[in-house]
Amino acid sequence: GENVEQHPSTLSVQEGDSAVIKCTYSDSASNYFPWYKQELGKGPQLIIDIRSNVGEKKDQRIAVTLNKTAKHFSLHITETQPEDSAVYFCAASPKGSGGSNYKLTFGKGTLLTVNP
Amino acid sequence: KAGVTQTPRYLIKTRGQQVTLSCSPISGHRSVSWYQQTPGQGLQFLFEYFSETQRNKGNFPGRFSGRQFSNSRSEMNVSTLELGDSALYLCASSKTGDTQYFGPGTRLTVL
Repeated sequence: GENVEQHPSTLSVQEGDSAVIKCTYSDSASNYFPWYKQELGKGPQLIIDIRSNVGEKKDQRIAVTLNKTAKHFSLHITETQPEDSAVYFCAASPKGSGGSNYKLTFGKGTLLTVNP
Repeated sequence: KAGVTQTPRYLIKTRGQQVTLSCSPISGHRSVSWYQQTPGQGLQFLFEYFSETQRNKGNFPGRFSGRQFSNSRSEMNVSTLELGDSALYLCASSKTGDTQYFGPGTRLTVL
């Protein structure tokens, strides 16, 4: 089955700096890669996702890149703010039967702390 | 548009008991997935339902089961609870199974 490795496990940055979180996956059949942000006491919140036919996607201060050959994908957060502090999870999923993805395999998470 | 709702939010049970958790997906979403989140194992996939049919199942024992109703609401059941079942149980809904939106979770404590 799929295995997703996520690094680093903790990341501390100064407000205004950039943060980068990296993930690798093992199953070449995976073609959908979402990123989630989880704050204390809440469920994971989808912040951005990318599909295998796209190499990069950007949404304001957040960007995700995908290298299918190397099976790597990364989350980039620019101009970090204290409210970006949370645990971030990457995930990978294959396209299931019937044309939809139905099984996310998650990385272990990265605790991001943005210091004011 | 209302998000995914899960009830109850907190639950305390003792070993050997059984528990049923409920999930109401976003209106119009037909896919519901369940995940277990623990500090040691992280987020792990339990199963996914689409139009009342289980489409995929994770590597959990048969004590974990689920179902989905015609209105897309879903329940998961854990029988013969063990201490190791203490976790945050998360439900995620999706229109087709693609982009998944999570609820706040049910925190289950087994004593």
